Amino acid sequence: NAGVTQTPKFQVLKTGQSMTLQCAQDMNHEYMSWYRQDPGMGLRLIHYSVGAGITDQGEVPNGYNVSRSTTEDFPLRLLSAAPSQTSVYFCASRSTGTSSYNEQFFGPGTRLTVL
Amino acid sequence: SQKIEQNSEALNIQEGKTATLTCNYTNYSPAYLQWYRQDPGRGPVFLLLIRENEKEKRKERLKVTFDTTLKQSLFHITASQPADSATYLCALLGGYNKLIFGAGTRLAVHP
Repeated sequence: NAGVTQTPKFQVLKTGQSMTLQCAQDMNHEYMSWYRQDPGMGLRLIHYSVGAGITDQGEVPNGYNVSRSTTEDFPLRLLSAAPSQTSVYFCASRSTGTSSYNEQFFGPGTRLTVL
Repeated sequence: SQKIEQNSEALNIQEGKTATLTCNYTNYSPAYLQWYRQDPGRGPVFLLLIRENEKEKRKERLKVTFDTTLKQSLFHITASQPADSATYLCALLGGYNKLIFGAGTRLAVHP
């Protein structure tokens, strides 16, 4: 199993450009989520999904869109990048199963710089 | 407002000693709390989960306590080693399906 994979590893954008951060998991997990991590602020939840076709907002959703057409993939879209979106982005997944207590698996992260 | 607080200052300890990290939370009533380890340039890795009806959980050299009255969890690493140096994050379920993280505490274990 590859676990949770993210592409690209690094990206530099200019203000106003758009891009999609890719995330895939091969563990058949129902739950997937996106976090951003900034120095001193920890991981903040952007969007999450409890299954294909179902998404919801986290703590900091503004400026980001998501969709979940398959169980495996959960892309994060930046429609018009801003310098405030410079951050490290982590995708995560977990099984919900009969309990929502299960551990969360994280991808390696995408380091995004917006100039 | 809801908050999860971990010591922002790094914890420096000598090899062989016990490291104790603190996680305090406000205005949450979590069914469980989790601890993760994060190394530089990598994603967090799950370590332990403790439920609200459990006072203590152990895994090898790791021990976690959970006091729902104090709204606090303590994370202990006994006989610490330089390889334990990392940032440790606590996380709790802050609403339906939302896993919320603290900012993390960096641990440095010196030989």
